[in-house]
Amino acid sequence: NAGVTQTPKFQVLKTGQSMTLQCAQDMNHEYMSWYRQDPGMGLRLIHYSVGAGITDQGEVPNGYNVSRSTTEDFPLRLLSAAPSQTSVYFCATGGRGNQPQHFGDGTRLSIL
Amino acid sequence: EDKVVQSPLSLVVHEGDTVTLNCSYEVTNFRSLLWYKQEKKAPTFLFMLTSSGIEKKSGRLSSILDKKELFSILNITATQTGDSAVYLCAVGRDGGSQGNLIFGKGTKLSVKP
Repeated sequence: NAGVTQTPKFQVLKTGQSMTLQCAQDMNHEYMSWYRQDPGMGLRLIHYSVGAGITDQGEVPNGYNVSRSTTEDFPLRLLSAAPSQTSVYFCATGGRGNQPQHFGDGTRLSIL
Repeated sequence: EDKVVQSPLSLVVHEGDTVTLNCSYEVTNFRSLLWYKQEKKAPTFLFMLTSSGIEKKSGRLSSILDKKELFSILNITATQTGDSAVYLCAVGRDGGSQGNLIFGKGTKLSVKP
């Protein structure tokens, strides 16, 4: 998906490991968000940011940290992975004003 | 608690049929309603609706919002196999952030040849 790049595309972790999912955008969008998508649950908001230096919690923030030191990057950190965090993670960005969000291709994460 | 409910959850039709997908919501600080199409990877944006009664149209797809009754519909006419996907409805909330979307669970549409 042009403009929003997520890495890695796939990752397998063991319980207790930590890792960072990367999200980068080249559209100069102010708004960036992280969602997780689980079967039968739709997409749920984890954390979001309205600009560099500003972040806030979404519906399911526990177990995840974020920071926004630049406009371009919004990494999502799993501090101590748990099997319940097995999911597909999407990063999304949106411009100023009432503009729609656009999604990256996702990271499929499995925690054993 | 804010919620977005889509119906039906799944639908099987034949090519050429017309389908209507439903999305109802109970959300404080409503800002906008968005429709996305999700095939194998990222959801792709279809429509954003902010005003009641104004139809948005793109080819065979159209959508309308009713802010009094708190619902939206997505219509697809003359369906094709390429329309097979999960269609997601999301509501954007005020509170200073466009990043504050709440999603429904999606409607899985299967179009048979």
